[in-house]
Amino acid sequence: GIQVEQSPPDLILQEGANSTLRCNFSDSVNNLQWFHQNPWGQLINLFYIPSGTKQNGRLSATTVATERYSLLYISSSQTTDSGVYFCAVLDNYGQNFVFGPGTRLSVLP
Amino acid sequence: SAVISQKPSRDICQRGTSLTIQCQVDSQVTMMFWYRQQPGQSLTLIATANQGSEATYESGFVIDKFPISRPNLTFSTLTVSNMSPEDSSIYLCSVWQAGRTEAFFGQGTRLTVV
Repeated sequence: GIQVEQSPPDLILQEGANSTLRCNFSDSVNNLQWFHQNPWGQLINLFYIPSGTKQNGRLSATTVATERYSLLYISSSQTTDSGVYFCAVLDNYGQNFVFGPGTRLSVLP
Repeated sequence: SAVISQKPSRDICQRGTSLTIQCQVDSQVTMMFWYRQQPGQSLTLIATANQGSEATYESGFVIDKFPISRPNLTFSTLTVSNMSPEDSSIYLCSVWQAGRTEAFFGQGTRLTVV
């Protein structure tokens, strides 16, 4: 089945810093999402981005489908950005989302 | 987007007992899934809940341990049976409409087995 990798596994930032999170996947996909899991365990949809670039406030994402990777950019980070960021792709059968291992972000005041 | 209500949000249970988690969606959806997230880990798919028929389980998960019901297109339950401390996890319900774009998740159920 499709494999999803994320880097870095952990990231510690000072408030106001910028960061880039990466997601690599082993096969072509037509559905890719980024999620933020808050400290209470809830998964928040950030982006649906199988290709191209999107921006939402301080966050933006780019997927280069031909090279099988996606990037999530966080600018001017805030303490509320802390949590785990997951990349998920639809499997080869188009029925189930496969999650990467996540990047745990800690933003310090 | 779909609005998903998952209950309970958390529970502490005695080993050997069972807990049923409910997932209610505000609209009819094609696909409903149940995931487990063990402490510090990513999400792992338990099963796909099929409306009106038996769920489709992933490798390593069996119906006797995780019975699932889906009586209609807006509701599903997951039961964690004969619990042990190793079952302590977050359990999440997810929905996806075939042909649409995004998957959505419930708030999760944080289960602790003592």
